[in-house]
Amino acid sequence: QQQVKQSPQSLIVQKGGIPIINCAYENTAFDYFPWYQQFPGKGPALLIAIRPDVSEKKEGRFTISFNKSAKQFSLHIMDSQPGDSATYFCAASPTGGFKTIFGAGTRLFVKA
Amino acid sequence: DTAVSQTPKYLVTQMGNDKSIKCEQNLGHDTMYWYKQDSKKFLKIMFSYNNKELIINETVPNRFSPKSPDKAHLNLHINSLELGDSAVYFCASSQDFVRTGVYGYTFGSGTRLTVV
Repeated sequence: QQQVKQSPQSLIVQKGGIPIINCAYENTAFDYFPWYQQFPGKGPALLIAIRPDVSEKKEGRFTISFNKSAKQFSLHIMDSQPGDSATYFCAASPTGGFKTIFGAGTRLFVKA
Repeated sequence: DTAVSQTPKYLVTQMGNDKSIKCEQNLGHDTMYWYKQDSKKFLKIMFSYNNKELIINETVPNRFSPKSPDKAHLNLHINSLELGDSAVYFCASSQDFVRTGVYGYTFGSGTRLTVV
């Protein structure tokens, strides 16, 4: 079963645009919500993460918005650049973090 | 200096063979994982080891056997390889969340396994 649902599957934006990737979860035992960025031929790399007691977190051009009551969270990339073109995964971990569940991934392409 | 290194990077083998993938981390992390990424990029956890002890074993065929000789190493042995085993296998590591409160995985670059 898909415990973390991610959308869209792919996304194309112009340079400078703000791509938004959305995720939803069901399991209320999740208490850590990271985003990973993966370039072709590489492993996923931790980008930014949030705990459910916070509604928003910013790191550079990347922002996570979190809605605990709706069990949804999203990633916004401000002033997107061609170098941001990659696959982005949302994920969720229960307390202890030993079993992180990943969303299906979003392939982002930023046009120059 | 690579944090999580996997060998080999590519592995092409025939059906029915047995193969191993090795993983080593130099981060001093307590927990290591194996994830499988299929052709649609979906990442699925297979195993998790904490201080050499198996703590997560997802519904993986018993042809897959992980082995952790020490905290820094987690190897994956696959017997009787099948076409459906073709995928990219990622090793990852993380700190002890309970002790440090720090989450987040560090992934290796992956091993692309092709079974022909």
